[in-house]
Amino acid sequence: SYELTQTPSVSVSPGQTATITCSGDALPKKYASWYQKKSGQAPILVIYEDDKRPSGIPERFSGSASGTVATLTISGAQVEDEGDYYCFSMDSGGVHEVVFGGGTKVTVL
Amino acid sequence: QLQLQESGPGLLKPSETLSLTCTVSGGPVSSFYWSWIRQPPGKGLEWIGFVYFGGSTNYNPSLASRLTISGDTSMQQVSLSLTSVTTADTAVYYCARGRRADLGGFGHLDHWGQGILVNVSS
Repeated sequence: SYELTQTPSVSVSPGQTATITCSGDALPKKYASWYQKKSGQAPILVIYEDDKRPSGIPERFSGSASGTVATLTISGAQVEDEGDYYCFSMDSGGVHEVVFGGGTKVTVL
Repeated sequence: QLQLQESGPGLLKPSETLSLTCTVSGGPVSSFYWSWIRQPPGKGLEWIGFVYFGGSTNYNPSLASRLTISGDTSMQQVSLSLTSVTTADTAVYYCARGRRADLGGFGHLDHWGQGILVNVSS
C-alpha cells in the first residue's frame, strides 16, 4: 500500500520558520495538499496542488515540491498556527490509492 | 456559502452497520469528489473513500470489502455505509468536498463538515 511519511513533530519559537516535509514515491507525478487540524475542529486546507494557497490562508503558509518530497513552510509562525498538519496525495499506479501522511505536530512556543 | 453536515447514529454495537449521511447546501454536488475521512481517537486522519457524481468511486483498500459510498443528486446528499463495524471503527467521521486537479482526476479537499463522532461499543 502507498504511504506518505512525515516527521512526527516540529517545534519553533514565535516568528521563526517551521518546515514540515512529506515524502512519497509518487509525489513527482502527483500533487500534494496540506491540511491544518486543531483539536475539536474540522481540518482546513492550507496548500493545494503543491504550492497554491486558498483564499483566506495567510501568506506565511507556502508549499513546494521537489522529487519525492513535498514541503510545507510556515514563515514567521504564530502561536495560533499550533496544531497537526497532514499531507495528502495519491499513488500513481492503476489503483490510485489515496492517503494522508501520518501527521506532524507543530508546537509554537 | 457551501455547508456540509454529517448526520447519523452516534453509538453502534459491534457487527452492526454504520450509515452516515452528508447533506450539502449552498452549492452543487455534481462535478465534485464527495469524500469521507475519519480520525480515530488519538490517531491521524484516515482516508475512507469518495464518490464522483459522474459515477466513479474510490475506496480505501483496507475498508473496501465493507464499504459503500453513494450519492443522491436530487437530495444533495452523500451516504456512507460500513458493515460489520468493530471498536476499531470508532472515530470522528468527516464529509469533505474534493476538487479536480488541474492535471485531471482527484485533487484536494477544499470544504469539510464539522464531523460526527461514532462510537462502537458493546
